[in-house]
Amino acid sequence: LAKTTQPISMDSYEGQEVNITCSHNNIATNDYITWYQQFPSQGPRFIIQGYKTKVTNEVASLFIPADRKSSTLSLPRVSLSDTAVYYCLVFSGGYNKLIFGAGTRLAVHP
Amino acid sequence: GAVVSQHPSRVICKSGTSVKIECRSLDFQATTMFWYRQFPKQSLMLMATSNEGSKATYEQGVEKDKFLINHASLTLSTLTVTSAHPEDSSFYICSASLGQGDEQYFGPGTRLTVT
Repeated sequence: LAKTTQPISMDSYEGQEVNITCSHNNIATNDYITWYQQFPSQGPRFIIQGYKTKVTNEVASLFIPADRKSSTLSLPRVSLSDTAVYYCLVFSGGYNKLIFGAGTRLAVHP
Repeated sequence: GAVVSQHPSRVICKSGTSVKIECRSLDFQATTMFWYRQFPKQSLMLMATSNEGSKATYEQGVEKDKFLINHASLTLSTLTVTSAHPEDSSFYICSASLGQGDEQYFGPGTRLTVT
């Protein structure tokens, strides 16, 4: 399972765009990149998943360069309610086991 | 999306007693479920993989005799913390997926406090 590295914490202000980058140098050919969000005392919530290039949904975008050794989660116009821990995970379609890293603690300020 | 529930949401028990936590997939069948533990300000730590109809697979360092896992049906997995001690106090979270490689859906978690 590929290990991921992401910043421990980030600060932002309401209305700004936030980009969280994750490194996964040992990503395998079959691996997908997945991001989860977790609020205190709640289970993680799926945000977005991708394999290459760019993926966009109603809450975020995921940018993956051609070498796939990193990925960037982009949250447009964050609000106070986006304050949470964000986890980047890499997993193989055949493996299914998720190993969580430390995550990035995002604090959004008024 | 698929829904996973946990019961109870929080439980307080005395040291030495056993506690059972249920994890249910409400609108889909899950042949595989996962159990995690999370201490305050820390990340989720995978404890075991629960397989329907067979024995659970435990991660290194997790005592299988202390954390009993039963996956008797395609919608229910249970985690029993036996002879609980204060150091077992933690947030326990389960997850399930529709199939191999699919997105995992997490339960809301169970806060266990052992006094």
